[in-house]
Amino acid sequence: KAGVTQTPRYLIKTRGQQVTLSCSPISGHRSVSWYQQTPGQGLQFLFEYFSETQRNKGNFPGRFSGRQFSNSRSEMNVSTLELGDSALYLCASSRDGQGQETQYFGPGTRLLVL
Amino acid sequence: AQSVTQPDIHITVSEGASLELRCNYSYGATPYLFWYVQSPGQGLQLLLKYFSGDTLVQGIKGFEAEFKRSQSSFNLRKPSVHWSDAAEYFCAVVSRSGGYQKVTFGTGTKLQVIP
Repeated sequence: KAGVTQTPRYLIKTRGQQVTLSCSPISGHRSVSWYQQTPGQGLQFLFEYFSETQRNKGNFPGRFSGRQFSNSRSEMNVSTLELGDSALYLCASSRDGQGQETQYFGPGTRLLVL
Repeated sequence: AQSVTQPDIHITVSEGASLELRCNYSYGATPYLFWYVQSPGQGLQLLLKYFSGDTLVQGIKGFEAEFKRSQSSFNLRKPSVHWSDAAEYFCAVVSRSGGYQKVTFGTGTKLQVIP
């Protein structure tokens, strides 16, 4: 079974631009979560989608948004990029996003904002 | 609110030595606890998890962890470290909030293995 895939793996943008990251979950998984990882803040939860609906959201500004499609693939968008948005963005999938389930992580997209 | 503390930011051990990585959590009920490992530039890989039952859980790559409710701890151990274990390790607590997962990660412990 294929794992979680994320595209692109690396991205360079400039301040003020916007970016869209993509995540394809493991087949059969309907829950997709997004995390931002930085050296200073560690792993921070962005949001979780289940059946095309955002179910849970972390403490990030509205510049960070996402969506999920009917095939469970998810995209994350960051508008008006800031230098501080440089990070590794990880997505994780699980079957239903319930407490006991394991989240399977993708390799991440490394975003550099110049 | 739940929280996870990994008090050791960086640990160095010799190859073949034993390892213990500390994790303390704060959560009102019985938590779901996970340990993940992250190699440089990679995503997170699950090492082991605890939900209930036997408080000593075995994971992949020879790792084990023990849940101690009285100490609110879930420390990760390995009897003999290999050079390939050099990576960053994250403890996570998962709770249910409104029927879905809320995952909180610790800040991570970087493990360096010296020959």
